[in-house]
Amino acid sequence: DAGVTQSPTHLIKTRGQQVTLRCSPKSGHDTVSWYQQALGQGPQFIFQYYEEEERQRGNFPDRFSGHQFPNYSSELNVNALLLGDSALYLCASSWGRNQPQHFGDGTRLSIL
Amino acid sequence: KQEVTQIPAALSVPEGENLVLNCSFTDSAIYNLQWFRQDPGKGLTSLLLIQSSQREQTSGRLNASLDKSSGRSTLYIAASQPGDSATYLCAASRDNAGNMLTFGGGTRLMVKP
Repeated sequence: DAGVTQSPTHLIKTRGQQVTLRCSPKSGHDTVSWYQQALGQGPQFIFQYYEEEERQRGNFPDRFSGHQFPNYSSELNVNALLLGDSALYLCASSWGRNQPQHFGDGTRLSIL
Repeated sequence: KQEVTQIPAALSVPEGENLVLNCSFTDSAIYNLQWFRQDPGKGLTSLLLIQSSQREQTSGRLNASLDKSSGRSTLYIAASQPGDSATYLCAASRDNAGNMLTFGGGTRLMVKP
């Protein structure tokens, strides 16, 4: 039973570019959440998707957007990349509300 | 706004020692509290989840407690091993907020052989 898978593993971009990160949830899970983890800090909630809609959003600018597909997989898009967007981006999936979340290994995004 | 704090930020202990990691939160209206382990460059592995109605959870050498009234949780690790070396994160989930997690900054644990 595959867990949460994220792609790519690592990514290098330059300032001003756009990036798309992908996440496949654990089998049977219908809710996907995205988190940003800067080096040496705890993860910060970006947003959560359920039934293909954004259900909750953290304190992140509109440059961060997402999508959930009918098969529950999800994408995180970041436009106009800034140096401060360099971080580990984690995807977590769960089934239903208030259930334990399962995390992927993340995508390490570096902005030059 | 929920704020979660973990003390200490880093801890180094000799192998075999029992240790306690601390987590405090400002808003007691939590639905549950989770403890995670994170190895360098990796994602998060869930260790224990305590529902707001519970006082503690145990898994092997790990025991987590929750005191909502004081806004505190502790993770107790018995007979520490070098393989326990990792960053430990606690996260609070607020009631009626789906499962959005608010994380602490983590405690970086080093267990020396």
